[in-house]
Amino acid sequence: AQSVSQHNHHVILSEAASLELGCNYSYGGTVNLFWYVQYPGQHLQLLLKYFSGDPLVKGIKGFEAEFIKSKFSFNLRKPSVQWSDTAEYFCAVNAAGSYIPTFGRGTSLIVHP
Amino acid sequence: DAGVTQSPTHLIKTRGQQVTLRCSPKSGHDTVSWYQQALGQGPQFIFQYYEEEERQRGNFPDRFSGHQFPNYSSELNVNALLLGDSALYLCASTVGIEQFFGPGTRLTVL
Repeated sequence: AQSVSQHNHHVILSEAASLELGCNYSYGGTVNLFWYVQYPGQHLQLLLKYFSGDPLVKGIKGFEAEFIKSKFSFNLRKPSVQWSDTAEYFCAVNAAGSYIPTFGRGTSLIVHP
Repeated sequence: DAGVTQSPTHLIKTRGQQVTLRCSPKSGHDTVSWYQQALGQGPQFIFQYYEEEERQRGNFPDRFSGHQFPNYSSELNVNALLLGDSALYLCASTVGIEQFFGPGTRLTVL
């Protein structure tokens, strides 16, 4: 069974700082990869996804993620964070052919204005 | 177009009781998945319903059961509640492999 590790549980940044959140998974086959965000008081929503093709994926609100197959990683990046990016971020992976994603435990991001 | 809706938003039960949570998927979505999200953790898959049948199940005991109706809405039932069942229960409706989550039901077991 696959597993997902998010090594940063809590991240605190000032506005305009750059962000990189780590995500590693354990599964040897083809995968589909997702980043979800949960803003305070709101439901989980999709930030970006990777199915195939260009390993650099761009999502909403200026986020991007890079799939590095050799490192089993799918790190999330944003060049300049805003206060409104304060939220919980979840990485998720599902094996190709499976309908069910496995989620990491999440990273809590706090951005100070 | 309404998104995924869940009811109730909050619920308090005592140990040993039974609870039913409800979910209506996005319009046109025929597949519903349920997740349990404990505090400080990511969502954990409970089961998925498609065409009124349980298609896949995660590592949860038989106390957790579900149902899907002809209009694609779904229920999650939990029997003999334990303190450890306290969590946010999320419903997601699916098109392909992309999931759309509802706001969740916060269950507290005392």
